[in-house]
Parts: sequence; C-alpha cells; structure tokens
Amino acid sequence: QKEVEQDPGPLSVPEGAIVSLNCTYSNSAFQYFMWYRQYSRKGPELLMYTYSSGNKEDGRFTAQVDKSSKYISLFIRDSQPSDSATYLCAMSEGRGSTLGRLYFGRGTQLTVWP
Amino acid sequence: EADIYQTPRYLVIGTGKKITLECSQTMGHDKMYWYQQDPGMELHLIHYSYGVNSTEKGDLSSESTVSRIRTEHFPLTLESARPSHTSQYLCASRYKGNKGIHEQYFGPGTRLTVT
Repeated sequence: QKEVEQDPGPLSVPEGAIVSLNCTYSNSAFQYFMWYRQYSRKGPELLMYTYSSGNKEDGRFTAQVDKSSKYISLFIRDSQPSDSATYLCAMSEGRGSTLGRLYFGRGTQLTVWP
Repeated sequence: EADIYQTPRYLVIGTGKKITLECSQTMGHDKMYWYQQDPGMELHLIHYSYGVNSTEKGDLSSESTVSRIRTEHFPLTLESARPSHTSQYLCASRYKGNKGIHEQYFGPGTRLTVT
C-alpha cells in the first residue's frame, strides 16, 4: 500500500468553477500536510500547509485535513486559467523527524479553460 | 522565488556516458534532496544529505551517487547512463532546524533523456 494516494486526473474545468483535489494516506504519524503546485517544466512550489487537523484558508485556496479519515483536500474557488498546473499533496511526520522527509502523492493535473 | 539552481535544464546523452547533474542553493540550507519524477508518478526520493559530508540513499534504488563537499552544492552523478535513467530529476533543500513546517524548496529540474 502506498503511503499517499492521489488521483492523477486529468481534471478539466471552466473558469470560475470550484475545484476539489484530494489525497488519502495510510500513515497515522503524519502531522504536516502540504499542497505543492507545479507548473509545466518547473519545480514544485509550496502552495499551502496545514498542521494536524482543521481548515486553512488563503485567498481562493482552502486546505482541509481530516486525520480521523486520513483524508486531505484542497479547494480552489473562482478558478482561473493561471491555476492550470499539477497539484501535489505532500505529508511529513512530526518534529521528531530530523530529515524532514516528505511523502508525495502522484499529483493531479488541472486545466482551467477560459 | 527560491534560490536553488539546477544545470543543465535539459540533457540528451548516449548510453554509457558519465553525467553529473548540478544543484546549488544560496539559502544556507543544511538538508538537501534529490528526487526522480516520472510523468503521473510520485516524486521518489533517491538521495539526501543532512549536511556537509553526509549523504544517504533514499527509497528508490538508484545507480547514481551524490556528494556534499560544500553546503551549497549537491551534485548527482551517473557513472554509466542507461535508457532506464531517462526521467526528470529534481533537487530540493530545506532550512536548518526542525521547527515549523518541513517546506522544501525545489529547483526547476533537469530533464534527462538517455538514448
């Protein structure tokens, strides 16, 4: 069983749509949950992070973590063509992990068309 | 934008050649990582380093080697390239210490094709 599962899509939505991206995981030791965005031919860049359970909002983006279900989500409101990218979820264990090892999902390819 | 650089960005090379992928960061980060990324697949950790003179293999079996002689430099070497090495290689670094999030800053990647 993989540590992190993520549907690779592709996902294609019209401009203005609400987008929901999801990941599930199996390791209950994960404490930090992140979403990276990767544009074509670029490296991933951190978009949002959440510690433990709960919601976090940043502009049009909302990250949710449900540790009881081992399920995380990223919502994008009023999606824009500039949001077209691959979104990768990533997770790491608590502060005892000196390596800071990240476990990534496969990424979901999103296209927002005008 | 993160100050982490990778060269070359694209490389097409024949089987059997020795290649070195360069990675440098100017942020003073002690931890550095190499990942392999294939289309539609997870990033696989192939090497990491805690600091100078520290290198370890990651999860994915790799025929590559790394060195960390200077904090800012973490090159990856393939002694004899094969078509199975064709992939995108991403270098990342992380700030010192364990507090806060474990954000890793990524370089733009090197897309390697072995013919």
